[in-house]
Amino acid sequence: EVQLVESGGGLVQPGGSLRLSCAASGFAFSSFWMSWVRQAPGKGLEWVANIKQDGSGEYYVDSVKGRFTISRDNADNSLYLQMNSLRAEDTAVYYCARAGRSGGSMDVWGQGTTVTVSS
Amino acid sequence: DIQMTQSPSSLSASVGDRVTITCRASQDINNYLSWFQQKPGKAPKSLIYLASNLQSGVPSRFSGSGSGTDFTLTISSLQPEDFATYYCQQYKSYPRTFGQGTKVEIK
Repeated sequence: EVQLVESGGGLVQPGGSLRLSCAASGFAFSSFWMSWVRQAPGKGLEWVANIKQDGSGEYYVDSVKGRFTISRDNADNSLYLQMNSLRAEDTAVYYCARAGRSGGSMDVWGQGTTVTVSS
Repeated sequence: DIQMTQSPSSLSASVGDRVTITCRASQDINNYLSWFQQKPGKAPKSLIYLASNLQSGVPSRFSGSGSGTDFTLTISSLQPEDFATYYCQQYKSYPRTFGQGTKVEIK
């Protein structure tokens, strides 16, 4: 079964850091682009970042550039999102998603992990 | 950035109704468009990719059409499990952007 399982969410103070993980199983992880997408409470979906199969290409939404870093470990079938200098507006459910062989359509999603930035 | 605008923002419909949701891109995105369904407290589910291709396992009552800037998602006969929020998303360029969502409610 193709599956993505996120972990690492929690409560963090403004200015703090958090590292999200996404464990992939049931497919050839190293053959696919991967994405992070977030959803603030009561709001719509917002794409956050993409990473290429071998990690050589990364793309970010402007609001997280310089603060968030997407990475992956193909040997461990894992995707990561390092989040630094967190702000209240980063509070959201964070989903990892598989983004195809060319970084396009996101066809498989994890269940999400909740990040709350508050003092 | 490419802006994606969905209409309507919400609609009320009955089981068996034909429902159409529109998504408009602020510039030409060819057919690089996906549709997602999301139920409360759940992750989004991919329905359609490349504007008109049904994901595996998605019922055939769902269909997508369009190219360029104007796209539609149609549910031919609304079922109880279809009440949800639907999002379009473009992947022609970065940043990837979503529509604001269309909530389909029970009349």
